Amino acid sequence: GQNIDQPTEMTATEGAIVQINCTYQTSGFNGLFWYQQHAGEAPTFLSYNVLDGLEEKGRFSSFLSRSKGYSYLLLKELQMKDSASYLCASEDYGQNFVFGPGTRLSVLP
Amino acid sequence: DVKVTQSSRYLVKRTGEKVFLECVQDMDHENMFWYRQDPGLGLRLIYFSYDVKMKEKGDIPEGYSVSREKKERFSLILESASTNQTSMYLCASRGAGTGKETQYFGPGTRLLVL
Repeated sequence: GQNIDQPTEMTATEGAIVQINCTYQTSGFNGLFWYQQHAGEAPTFLSYNVLDGLEEKGRFSSFLSRSKGYSYLLLKELQMKDSASYLCASEDYGQNFVFGPGTRLSVLP
Repeated sequence: DVKVTQSSRYLVKRTGEKVFLECVQDMDHENMFWYRQDPGLGLRLIYFSYDVKMKEKGDIPEGYSVSREKKERFSLILESASTNQTSMYLCASRGAGTGKETQYFGPGTRLLVL
């Protein structure tokens, strides 16, 4: 089976760094995805990790530890437009995705 | 760019009505999905399809059916809408193979059942 957990809400200040954590329990784990979803819009792909370590993409980075069933999304130099929900999703070898409840991030001036 | 479109952004229906939600993708993707998204529950998979005329139940298929007669189109049907089916419905598509291939989402249909 699969289970994913992430914080429901977070608040941070413009220009700061924020880390959004995600823990998962996935049989036959085959990768961890992060998506960004602005209110009323579709989720859009941010990052993918399958091996341990950090993947960096501009202001966004994602980290994975397979042994701990843990990932985080790191957002640097926060901007107001980063206010959104961030969804963590794990995939298993059967190509089944399970999404976490999403973390709503509010960036304050 | 991959494009996934859904037939309606907003829909209001009455209890007992039959509701059709349509999704079309333009990237020749084999896999298509229907999710519903509710506050605090995240995205939950209703049905998915990995080929034309093929369908698999997801986590919450009760009260729903699907149809995939053409590769680019995946329809979600609510046979008799109920108020607990008020939700945001998201369609997604994905190419064959696992790994880095992400799902691409449509803009969503916000359904209100009165």
